[in-house]
Amino acid sequence: DAGITQSPRHKVTETGTPVTLRCHQTENHRYMYWYRQDPGHGLRLIHYSYGVKDTDKGEVSDGYSVSRSKTEDFLLTLESATSSQTSVYFCAIKGGLFTYNEQFFGPGTRLTVL
Amino acid sequence: RKEVEQDPGPFNVPEGATVAFNCTYSNSASQSFFWYRQDCRKEPKLLMSVYSSGNEDGRFTAQLNRASQYISLLIRDSKLSDSATYLCVVAGYGQNFVFGPGTRLSVLP
Repeated sequence: DAGITQSPRHKVTETGTPVTLRCHQTENHRYMYWYRQDPGHGLRLIHYSYGVKDTDKGEVSDGYSVSRSKTEDFLLTLESATSSQTSVYFCAIKGGLFTYNEQFFGPGTRLTVL
Repeated sequence: RKEVEQDPGPFNVPEGATVAFNCTYSNSASQSFFWYRQDCRKEPKLLMSVYSSGNEDGRFTAQLNRASQYISLLIRDSKLSDSATYLCVVAGYGQNFVFGPGTRLSVLP
């Protein structure tokens, strides 16, 4: 258990509304990531963070923003949700007790945009 | 060509069978390699890292062939609980972790 939680776990929203997903970790990991997973695709990186207030874009960052004001929290915001953003969103951290390069995932958030 | 490709699957095998999954990657500068398993509607979980010399963990054996840019996972004596989707992951320098689309395994009684 890597001590990662995500909230909410499920959300249904309407097109055009802003949505914020939260990832919380308890083990002081420096690196945190947001991925989305869709049928027919592998997990795709949206944004990642390498420290407080340090973030960078991933492969599919358009329409998403992130913030990290504390080590333990990494927020993903859909500024104006679209149906194409219906997906499962996973947060991940990098590193563990005996590792430095493996990623460990939170339980995911299922988002439906109507 | 996709950066990471895997056997399309699904694989349906009887309990006790040996099954092998293959994964190829296109970036020769890749540094780290992993296998994850993902159960239906759950998060991916690390199964094992893959080292150049190959490594084994119980019934699971992973091998890496850098010259051919290919990674394999062998599962011996399959159990019902091995049913899942297996994801191949390749990482380069920085934060570029690339996930394959996964291969689904069903172990049948």
